Amino acid sequence: DAGVIQSPRHEVTEMGQEVTLRCKPISGHDYLFWYRQTMMRGLELLIYFNNNVPIDDSGMPEDRFSAKMPNASFSTLKIQPSEPRDSAVYFCASSLVVTVEAFFGQGTRLTVV
Amino acid sequence: GENVEQHPSTLSVQEGDSAVIKCTYSDSASNYFPWYKQELGKRPQLIIDIRSNVGEKKDQRIAVTLNKTAKHFSLHITETQPEDSAVYFCAASQGGGADGLTFGKGTHLIIQP
Repeated sequence: DAGVIQSPRHEVTEMGQEVTLRCKPISGHDYLFWYRQTMMRGLELLIYFNNNVPIDDSGMPEDRFSAKMPNASFSTLKIQPSEPRDSAVYFCASSLVVTVEAFFGQGTRLTVV
Repeated sequence: GENVEQHPSTLSVQEGDSAVIKCTYSDSASNYFPWYKQELGKRPQLIIDIRSNVGEKKDQRIAVTLNKTAKHFSLHITETQPEDSAVYFCAASQGGGADGLTFGKGTHLIIQP
Protein backbone atom coordinates (compact mmCIF):
# COMPACT_ATOMS: atom_id res chain seq x y z
CA ASP A 1 0.00 0.00 0.00
CA ALA A 2 1.30 3.47 -0.86
CA GLY A 3 0.10 4.91 2.43
CA VAL A 4 -2.25 7.84 2.89
CA ILE A 5 -2.22 10.00 -0.21
CA GLN A 6 -3.09 13.66 -0.16
CA SER A 7 -3.41 16.13 -2.99
CA PRO A 8 -2.37 18.71 -3.79
CA ARG A 9 0.91 18.96 -1.85
CA HIS A 10 0.91 22.72 -2.12
CA GLU A 11 -1.92 25.13 -2.79
CA VAL A 12 -1.73 28.89 -3.14
CA THR A 13 -5.02 30.67 -3.57
CA GLU A 14 -6.49 34.12 -3.27
CA MET A 15 -8.73 35.11 -0.41
CA GLY A 16 -12.35 34.35 -1.18
CA GLN A 17 -11.64 31.43 -3.46
CA GLU A 18 -12.86 27.88 -2.84
CA VAL A 19 -10.23 25.34 -1.88
CA THR A 20 -10.65 21.55 -1.97
CA LEU A 21 -8.16 19.21 -0.35
CA ARG A 22 -8.24 15.51 -1.13
CA CYS A 23 -7.30 12.36 0.73
CA LYS A 24 -7.09 8.67 -0.07
CA PRO A 25 -6.78 6.59 3.12
CA ILE A 26 -5.01 3.26 3.46
CA SER A 27 -7.23 0.50 2.15
CA GLY A 28 -9.08 -1.29 4.94
CA HIS A 29 -8.75 1.49 7.48
CA ASP A 30 -12.09 2.34 9.07
CA TYR A 31 -11.10 5.70 10.50
CA LEU A 32 -10.13 8.87 8.67
CA PHE A 33 -9.02 12.07 10.35
CA TRP A 34 -8.42 15.61 9.14
CA TYR A 35 -5.91 17.69 11.12
CA ARG A 36 -4.67 21.26 10.74
CA GLN A 37 -1.15 22.23 11.84
CA THR A 38 0.01 25.77 12.57
CA MET A 39 2.86 27.13 14.65
CA MET A 40 0.49 28.83 17.05
CA ARG A 41 -2.07 26.08 17.59
CA GLY A 42 -0.13 22.90 16.84
CA LEU A 43 -1.98 19.88 15.50
CA GLU A 44 -5.74 20.32 15.75
CA LEU A 45 -8.31 17.62 14.99
CA LEU A 46 -10.89 19.09 12.63
CA ILE A 47 -13.16 16.12 11.93
CA TYR A 48 -13.05 12.36 11.78
CA PHE A 49 -15.03 9.65 10.03
CA ASN A 50 -15.77 6.05 10.97
CA ASN A 51 -16.85 3.85 8.06
CA ASN A 52 -17.46 6.98 5.95
CA VAL A 53 -19.76 8.54 8.56
CA PRO A 54 -18.71 11.82 10.23
CA ILE A 55 -18.45 11.16 13.97
CA ASP A 56 -17.11 14.38 15.44
CA ASP A 57 -16.83 17.69 13.60
CA SER A 58 -16.54 19.87 16.68
CA GLY A 59 -13.06 20.91 15.61
CA MET A 60 -14.19 22.44 12.34
CA PRO A 61 -13.49 26.14 12.88
CA GLU A 62 -16.58 27.53 11.20
CA ASP A 63 -19.20 27.02 8.53
CA ARG A 64 -16.72 27.86 5.81
CA PHE A 65 -15.21 24.41 6.38
CA SER A 66 -16.90 21.22 5.25
CA ALA A 67 -15.75 17.63 4.83
CA LYS A 68 -17.16 14.64 3.02
CA MET A 69 -16.34 10.99 2.63
CA PRO A 70 -18.46 9.63 -0.22
CA ASN A 71 -16.79 6.21 -0.11
CA ALA A 72 -14.15 4.26 1.81
CA SER A 73 -11.30 5.38 -0.43
CA PHE A 74 -11.83 9.11 -0.74
CA SER A 75 -12.42 12.17 1.41
CA THR A 76 -12.42 15.92 0.77
CA LEU A 77 -12.01 18.98 2.96
CA LYS A 78 -13.43 22.12 1.45
CA ILE A 79 -12.96 25.72 2.50
CA GLN A 80 -15.29 28.26 0.98
CA PRO A 81 -14.56 31.13 0.98
CA SER A 82 -10.93 30.88 2.02
CA GLU A 83 -9.26 33.48 4.24
CA PRO A 84 -5.58 34.23 4.99
CA ARG A 85 -5.95 32.80 8.53
CA ASP A 86 -6.73 29.42 6.97
CA SER A 87 -3.10 29.18 5.86
CA ALA A 88 -1.69 26.03 7.44
CA VAL A 89 -0.61 22.48 6.71
CA TYR A 90 -3.61 20.17 6.51
CA PHE A 91 -3.00 16.49 7.27
CA CYS A 92 -5.21 13.54 6.59
CA ALA A 93 -4.63 10.36 8.61
CA SER A 94 -6.21 6.94 8.72
CA SER A 95 -6.20 4.01 11.13
CA LEU A 96 -7.79 0.61 11.60
CA VAL A 97 -9.27 1.65 14.92
CA VAL A 98 -8.74 4.73 17.08
CA THR A 99 -6.38 3.01 19.52
CA VAL A 100 -3.73 1.93 17.06
CA GLU A 101 -1.28 3.85 14.91
CA ALA A 102 -2.71 6.64 12.80
CA PHE A 103 -0.85 6.92 9.51
CA PHE A 104 -0.50 10.45 8.23
CA GLY A 105 -0.40 11.65 4.67
CA GLN A 106 2.32 14.03 3.54
CA GLY A 107 0.03 17.00 4.09
CA THR A 108 -1.20 19.89 1.98
CA ARG A 109 0.46 23.23 2.60
CA LEU A 110 -2.23 25.83 2.01
CA THR A 111 -1.38 29.50 1.55
CA VAL A 112 -4.20 32.00 1.20
CA VAL A 113 -3.07 35.42 0.02
CA GLY B 1 -13.22 17.07 25.58
CA GLU B 2 -9.67 15.98 26.19
CA ASN B 3 -6.93 18.54 26.89
CA VAL B 4 -3.26 17.59 26.60
CA GLU B 5 -0.46 19.76 27.98
CA GLN B 6 3.13 19.12 26.90
CA HIS B 7 6.42 20.41 28.35
CA PRO B 8 8.92 21.71 27.56
CA SER B 9 8.25 23.40 24.24
CA THR B 10 11.97 23.31 23.42
CA LEU B 11 14.62 20.96 24.79
CA SER B 12 18.31 21.11 23.99
CA VAL B 13 20.58 18.27 25.12
CA GLN B 14 24.13 17.18 24.42
CA GLU B 15 24.55 14.22 22.12
CA GLY B 16 24.68 11.07 24.23
CA ASP B 17 22.65 12.53 27.08
CA SER B 18 19.04 11.63 27.89
CA ALA B 19 15.93 13.63 27.04
CA VAL B 20 12.61 13.59 28.85
CA ILE B 21 9.35 15.08 27.60
CA LYS B 22 6.29 15.23 29.82
CA CYS B 23 2.57 15.39 29.12
CA THR B 24 -0.56 15.61 31.19
CA TYR B 25 -4.11 14.86 30.13
CA SER B 26 -7.47 15.82 31.54
CA ASP B 27 -9.93 13.05 30.69
CA SER B 28 -9.64 10.06 33.03
CA ALA B 29 -11.42 7.93 30.40
CA SER B 30 -8.50 8.25 27.99
CA ASN B 31 -6.84 4.88 27.43
CA TYR B 32 -4.40 5.23 24.54
CA PHE B 33 -1.30 7.46 24.52
CA PRO B 34 0.87 7.58 21.40
CA TRP B 35 4.00 9.62 20.71
CA TYR B 36 4.73 10.97 17.27
CA LYS B 37 7.96 12.32 15.81
CA GLN B 38 7.87 14.95 13.09
CA GLU B 39 10.99 15.93 11.20
CA LEU B 40 11.12 19.29 9.47
CA GLY B 41 8.75 19.41 6.51
CA LYS B 42 7.59 15.83 6.97
CA ARG B 43 4.56 14.03 8.33
CA PRO B 44 4.16 12.94 11.97
CA GLN B 45 5.12 9.29 12.48
CA LEU B 46 4.41 7.05 15.44
CA ILE B 47 7.48 6.12 17.48
CA ILE B 48 5.91 4.43 20.50
CA ASP B 49 2.54 4.12 22.21
CA ILE B 50 1.17 2.89 25.51
CA ARG B 51 -2.23 1.76 26.69
CA SER B 52 -3.81 2.43 30.04
CA ASN B 53 -3.34 -1.12 31.32
CA VAL B 54 0.45 -0.77 31.12
CA GLY B 55 2.71 1.44 33.23
CA GLU B 56 5.83 1.38 31.09
CA LYS B 57 6.94 0.35 27.62
CA LYS B 58 10.39 0.32 26.10
CA ASP B 59 11.72 0.04 22.55
CA GLN B 60 15.52 0.24 22.30
CA ARG B 61 16.51 3.80 23.29
CA ILE B 62 12.93 4.99 23.69
CA ALA B 63 10.66 4.40 26.66
CA VAL B 64 7.29 5.74 27.76
CA THR B 65 5.84 5.76 31.25
CA LEU B 66 2.22 6.29 32.27
CA ASN B 67 0.82 7.33 35.63
CA LYS B 68 -2.96 7.04 35.40
CA THR B 69 -3.57 8.32 38.89
CA ALA B 70 -1.72 11.55 38.20
CA LYS B 71 -2.84 11.59 34.55
CA HIS B 72 0.57 12.12 33.13
CA PHE B 73 2.88 10.27 30.77
CA SER B 74 6.45 10.82 29.69
CA LEU B 75 8.80 10.02 26.82
CA HIS B 76 12.37 9.11 27.63
CA ILE B 77 15.11 8.99 25.00
CA THR B 78 18.50 7.69 26.10
CA GLU B 79 21.87 8.04 24.37
CA THR B 80 20.53 10.75 22.11
CA GLN B 81 21.84 10.99 18.56
CA PRO B 82 21.72 13.80 15.96
CA GLU B 83 18.91 12.02 14.10
CA ASP B 84 16.74 12.36 17.20
CA SER B 85 16.45 16.10 16.49
CA ALA B 86 12.78 16.70 15.60
CA VAL B 87 9.47 17.85 17.06
CA TYR B 88 7.83 15.28 19.31
CA PHE B 89 4.09 15.23 19.98
CA CYS B 90 2.25 13.37 22.69
CA ALA B 91 -1.42 12.53 22.24
CA ALA B 92 -4.33 11.00 24.09
CA SER B 93 -7.38 9.20 22.82
CA GLN B 94 -10.39 7.69 24.50
CA GLY B 95 -10.69 4.97 21.93
CA GLY B 96 -13.77 2.97 21.21
CA GLY B 97 -14.79 5.46 18.56
CA ALA B 98 -15.42 8.09 21.17
CA ASP B 99 -12.72 10.51 20.08
CA GLY B 100 -9.84 11.15 17.75
CA LEU B 101 -6.34 11.93 18.95
CA THR B 102 -5.84 15.13 20.94
CA PHE B 103 -2.25 16.29 20.55
CA GLY B 104 0.02 18.28 22.80
CA LYS B 105 1.63 21.41 21.34
CA GLY B 106 4.89 19.62 20.64
CA THR B 107 8.48 19.68 21.91
CA HIS B 108 11.31 20.76 19.65
CA LEU B 109 14.20 18.50 20.62
CA ILE B 110 17.64 19.78 19.64
CA ILE B 111 20.63 17.47 19.94
CA GLN B 112 23.85 19.46 20.35
CA PRO B 113 26.95 17.76 18.88
